[in-house]
Amino acid sequence: GAVVSQHPSRVICKSGTSVKIECRSLDFQATTMFWYRQFPKQSLMLMATSNEGSKATYEQGVEKDKFLINHASLTLSTLTVTSAHPEDSSFYICSAVGGGNSPLHFGNGTRLTVT
Amino acid sequence: DQQVKQNSPSLSVQEGRISILNCDYTNSMFDYFLWYKKYPAEGPTFLISISSIKDKNEDGRFTVFLNKSAKHLSLHIVPSQPGDSAVYFCAASVEGGSNYKLTFGKGTLLTVNP
Repeated sequence: GAVVSQHPSRVICKSGTSVKIECRSLDFQATTMFWYRQFPKQSLMLMATSNEGSKATYEQGVEKDKFLINHASLTLSTLTVTSAHPEDSSFYICSAVGGGNSPLHFGNGTRLTVT
Repeated sequence: DQQVKQNSPSLSVQEGRISILNCDYTNSMFDYFLWYKKYPAEGPTFLISISSIKDKNEDGRFTVFLNKSAKHLSLHIVPSQPGDSAVYFCAASVEGGSNYKLTFGKGTLLTVNP
């Protein structure tokens, strides 16, 4: 069964609004969570790395004020796309890992469409 | 620039035959490589990995080969089954994968025909 739950799976919003995507680890404590974005026919691109209780580390070219990440607990990280525009339409996916040599688990992704 | 390249967007194979998925990389600092499998509407699931100190790793029907000098790795699936039909992503990381920061290829859609 799924060990990382991502919600919602699909969202359509109007330009200028904000959208929040949740990523939950279901049966383990996720010390680190990663957020990726995938445009059509492109690879999964890492956007940011978040550790519980600390600020997220963003990859080059990713606007931290636009993509707000909150990793407030060991089982939940949220990505908020603020003032979304059509060019933000993409597939967003999170992954989570516990401590030690535990494997990396992915959520099922969120398809965001901004109209 | 694409540091991990999967140059074949798709591959079609007959059931029972071998599937070979290829991946090339440009960053010589990569030292840990992984293959993920992804079905539609699901997240990627880990399939098999290989450290740069090895040139082969086998797990059941799946074998990954690494050629460091050529910066090339491949995933062999034999025998291929219709349930193997999925998108396969090659991924790489630095520092032994301990930081889990993965660089992905664009994926190859494998179709195994009955």
